[in-house]
Amino acid sequence: VQLLESGGGLVQPGGSLRLSCAASGFTFHNFAMDWVRQSPGKGLEWVSVISASGAETYHTASVQGRFTISRDNAENTLYLQMNRLRADDTAVYYCAKKTCSGGSCNSPFDSWGQGTLVIVSS
Amino acid sequence: DIVMTQSPATLSLSPGDRATLSCRASQSISNYLAWYQQKPGQAPSLLIYGASTRATGIPARFSGSGSGTEFTLTISSLQSEDFALYFCQQYYNWPPWTFGQGTKVEIK
Repeated sequence: VQLLESGGGLVQPGGSLRLSCAASGFTFHNFAMDWVRQSPGKGLEWVSVISASGAETYHTASVQGRFTISRDNAENTLYLQMNRLRADDTAVYYCAKKTCSGGSCNSPFDSWGQGTLVIVSS
Repeated sequence: DIVMTQSPATLSLSPGDRATLSCRASQSISNYLAWYQQKPGQAPSLLIYGASTRATGIPARFSGSGSGTEFTLTISSLQSEDFALYFCQQYYNWPPWTFGQGTKVEIK
């Protein structure tokens, strides 16, 4: 399993970024995928999940209405569109694979990407 | 949200020592508990799931126990590569799935 994130960088408050996660080494369309972020002040924080089919998506309350998770199963790629970014969104963002297919399934994260750093600052 | 509390924040031990890390959930999570290891500059990696099942390739010196609200990760004899940050995570109740704040196992 390999997960490779990209798209992070420095952005001003109120700006947008789109993160990507290229997946390989497993049958991507069979598994739910998540984004998890890590910042020094808040530790590890679950952000978003999408079911294997893409039909179900859920976001943590602090990003609801600003972030959108999506996936392209033909391209084996996971995305996170981040709009109206705030300083407290600054973190390393990881994509992580679940062991099940549903958006609400109870599963640990069995594989993680190396992360991409997002810095929101003026 | 379910709050996960880990203790201690830092554990200072020597190679060969036994390490005992604790994780407490603010409400019962049955055995829906995972442990992750994170080394500097790396992503977390799955060690234990279902409170006590080792992930693929994880050495037998790592063991997990507990259910309900109290959980323990034990490293029976610390190797040099085990000095790292360890997180617990509940995947019983969502959203959100939640993590503990971490325990750093450092060389004494």
